[in-house]
Amino acid sequence: DIQMTQSPSSLSAYVGDRVTITCRASQGISNYLAWYQQKPGKVPKLLIYAASTLQSGVPSRFSASGSGTDFTLTISSLQPEDVATYYCQKYNSAPWTFGQGTKVEIK
Amino acid sequence: EVQMLESGGGLVQPGGSLRLSCAASGFIFSNYAMSWVRQAPGKGLEWVSGISGSGSTTNYADSVKGRFTISRDNSKNTLYVEMNSLRAEDTAVYYCAKGRSNSSPAFNYWGQGTLVTVSS
Repeated sequence: DIQMTQSPSSLSAYVGDRVTITCRASQGISNYLAWYQQKPGKVPKLLIYAASTLQSGVPSRFSASGSGTDFTLTISSLQPEDVATYYCQKYNSAPWTFGQGTKVEIK
Repeated sequence: EVQMLESGGGLVQPGGSLRLSCAASGFIFSNYAMSWVRQAPGKGLEWVSGISGSGSTTNYADSVKGRFTISRDNSKNTLYVEMNSLRAEDTAVYYCAKGRSNSSPAFNYWGQGTLVTVSS
């Protein structure tokens, strides 16, 4: 099965900083990748699908790119409400594996 | 408004069984793939099982294959998972999740989850 590896596992940044999270697939998955945000105690929320398409209602400071095996999620200007754990998920074929998550905190 | 409400969680002994349900509303249920995703306490998300809109195609994570069975009743707008031979490592909050389409398991709506605890 294809493994999804996120880096870093956690990060701490200042409000206004540009933040980048990486997700790497152990084999190519084309653009079948989604990103989710899970705030503490809350249900996951879809941010991005098809590797780079912003889900309706998601702030434009979130963007994503990539194809094949390497993907990135970028928050252009980190806000306090962005404190959360972020997960990538591949869905080219089952199993639809999630990455291990990246915890984002404010310095 | 899309709503999904899970039920059926609780405390069960190792080796026991449980059936979870997810009642959905606010969308044409049969048009969308659905999945179960779980999250063990303090851990990350783990996709468990998925089913196509018609119910004809099902998929399972290796960790539950042979023990869990996903199904749906489109006349009742309800998703199910039958969980047998439960183990301590199955302890988690179980979410039902709706795919963006019948062919896209990017999950745009999630239920609030139901907690399953496997312990003696």
